Amino acid sequence: GIQVEQSPPDLILQEGANSTLRCNFSDSVNNLQWFHQNPWGQLINLFYIPSGTKQNGRLSATTVATERYSLLYISSSQTTDSGVYFCAVVSGGSNYKLTFGKGTLLTVNP
Amino acid sequence: DTAVSQTPKYLVTQMGNDKSIKCEQNLGHDTMYWYKQDSKKFLKIMFSYNNKELIINETVPNRFSPKSPDKAHLNLHINSLELGDSAVYFCASSRSGMNTEAFFGQGTRLTVV
Repeated sequence: GIQVEQSPPDLILQEGANSTLRCNFSDSVNNLQWFHQNPWGQLINLFYIPSGTKQNGRLSATTVATERYSLLYISSSQTTDSGVYFCAVVSGGSNYKLTFGKGTLLTVNP
Repeated sequence: DTAVSQTPKYLVTQMGNDKSIKCEQNLGHDTMYWYKQDSKKFLKIMFSYNNKELIINETVPNRFSPKSPDKAHLNLHINSLELGDSAVYFCASSRSGMNTEAFFGQGTRLTVV
């Protein structure tokens, strides 16, 4: 099956700093999503981005499907950005499941 | 007006018991899922249902039995609970097809003692 690798596994920032999270995948994908799991355990949809670039406030994401990677940018980080960021993909042969990466644990200190 | 809701949010039970987790979505989606998140936060698909039909059963022990009474509901029944079943279980839903966004419930933290 498809492999999804996220980097870095852990990231510690001071409030106000910027960061880039990366997601590499081993095969072509039909669907890619970024999620934020907050400290209360909720999985929050950030982006549905199988290709191209999207922005939502301080967050933006870019997926280059031909090169099999996606990037999540967080600017001017806040303590509420802390949590685990997951990348998940749907690959061609598995329409009915998202395959998740292991996540990036982000800690933003005041 | 929660989009995907699961009950209960927390479940503590003894080994050997049988328990159920319920999931409902009001997004009009026709595909629903159960995912398991282990102690290392890794999320993995367990089951997918499309229009009440089982599509994916990802080598889950047959002590786990999903049931979809209609497109808006997908329940998970677990028999003879074991310590290793302790995890967070997430329900999700989406429209069918490849280019579709999935939405997750708030999770059910199951602890088997």
